[in-house]
Amino acid sequence: DQQVKQNSPSLSVQEGRISILNCDYTNSMFDYFLWYKKYPAEGPTFLISISSIKDKNEDGRFTVFLNKSAKHLSLHIVPSQPGDSAVYFCAASAYRLTGANNLFFGTGTRLTVIP
Amino acid sequence: DADVTQTPRNRITKTGKRIMLECSQTKGHDRMYWYRQDPGLGLRLIYYSFDVKDINKGEISDGYSVSRQAQAKFSLSLESAIPNQTALYFCATSDPGQRQHFGDGTRLSIL
Repeated sequence: DQQVKQNSPSLSVQEGRISILNCDYTNSMFDYFLWYKKYPAEGPTFLISISSIKDKNEDGRFTVFLNKSAKHLSLHIVPSQPGDSAVYFCAASAYRLTGANNLFFGTGTRLTVIP
Repeated sequence: DADVTQTPRNRITKTGKRIMLECSQTKGHDRMYWYRQDPGLGLRLIYYSFDVKDINKGEISDGYSVSRQAQAKFSLSLESAIPNQTALYFCATSDPGQRQHFGDGTRLSIL
């Protein structure tokens, strides 16, 4: 049973435009959400995170939005660059409830930024 | 040098063989994790360890065992490998801020 879902396996965007990657979750106990980026032959690398007490977190070109009532989060990349082409994983944990930061991952979205 | 190192990077073996995947870290983190990635399924947690004396099963621990030899080392074993354990395996460590840091993975193929 997939508790974190990324329903779009792939996304293509023109360089300079906005990329929006979406993620939905089912477990209302999740209180911390992360986005990881993965290049081929490498491990996932942390990109940005958000706590459930916030609805937005921004870091340079990357912004994550959280809508708790809809159990939905999104990652916005503006402007998109060819180097952003990678697989993006959404992840969630129930840290405040369990004390464990075990992550539940979505299935990933492959972003291609076209020059 | 990489902070989280996995060995081997690639391994092909036969059904029934015992396999050990190794992970070492220089980040000084107490918490370590093993995940597997399958196409279309994302990453799933196999085992995790909060310190040398604390080992816990994750979502999909059947068929696997682990050993935490030291703070810096966490090994994953397949006692008798089977083809559906063919996957990409990742080790990770975490800091108190919950961000997990991943190794570059071990691609395991079981024939």
